[in-house]
Amino acid sequence: EVQLVESGGGLVQPGGSLRLSCAASGFTFSSYCMHWVRQVPGEGLVWVLAINSDGTTTRYADSVKGRFTISRDNAKNTLYLQMNSLRADDTAIYYCARDRTGCYGLCDYWGQGSLVTVSS
Amino acid sequence: QSALTQPASVSGSPGQSITISCSGTSSDVGAYNSVSWYQHHPGKAPKLMIYDVSNRPSGVSNRFSGSKSGNTASLTISGLQAEDEADYYCNSYSTSYTVIFGGGTKLTVL
Repeated sequence: EVQLVESGGGLVQPGGSLRLSCAASGFTFSSYCMHWVRQVPGEGLVWVLAINSDGTTTRYADSVKGRFTISRDNAKNTLYLQMNSLRADDTAIYYCARDRTGCYGLCDYWGQGSLVTVSS
Repeated sequence: QSALTQPASVSGSPGQSITISCSGTSSDVGAYNSVSWYQHHPGKAPKLMIYDVSNRPSGVSNRFSGSKSGNTASLTISGLQAEDEADYYCNSYSTSYTVIFGGGTKLTVL
């Protein structure tokens, strides 16, 4: 059974940093592109970043470019999201998701999400 | 990277059919057949319902179907059931190598 479990969320002050993890199991993690998608409570889903299967190519939404970094450790079956210079508008539930094929946004499995709250 | 345009809400009675539109541009929806649809019940993980415009993953009811014309994709749900009540999102790959989601549509089953 495919499972994605996010962790690392919590309360952080504006300007601070946080690292989210997404532990994958039930599939060959190293064969799949992975995404981070966020949702401000009460609002819609917004794509944030993606990384290809071997970690050599990353894509970023303009809103997080220069502040967020996506990475992966295929030996540990884990996806990461390093978030720096956090702002109040980064407050959201962050989901990791597996791409069904390639890296085109066909997200066939999702985690339950990890809430990040940026507030003083 | 503007969000794809979806109606904020749609509604229908049990047994009826509804269609949700997803409007983009020639740089996203119109450029590729990489349009997907997701069902999201608040507090749960989103679920892939349609991929590549019109394909259903294994286990998804054939009451769900997708199509595309030009820069607009559509999700149709036939034979509405109470359990279909949820938020629905489209997304598309774009020519800037990014992914764009729609703003979401709240489906109410009357």
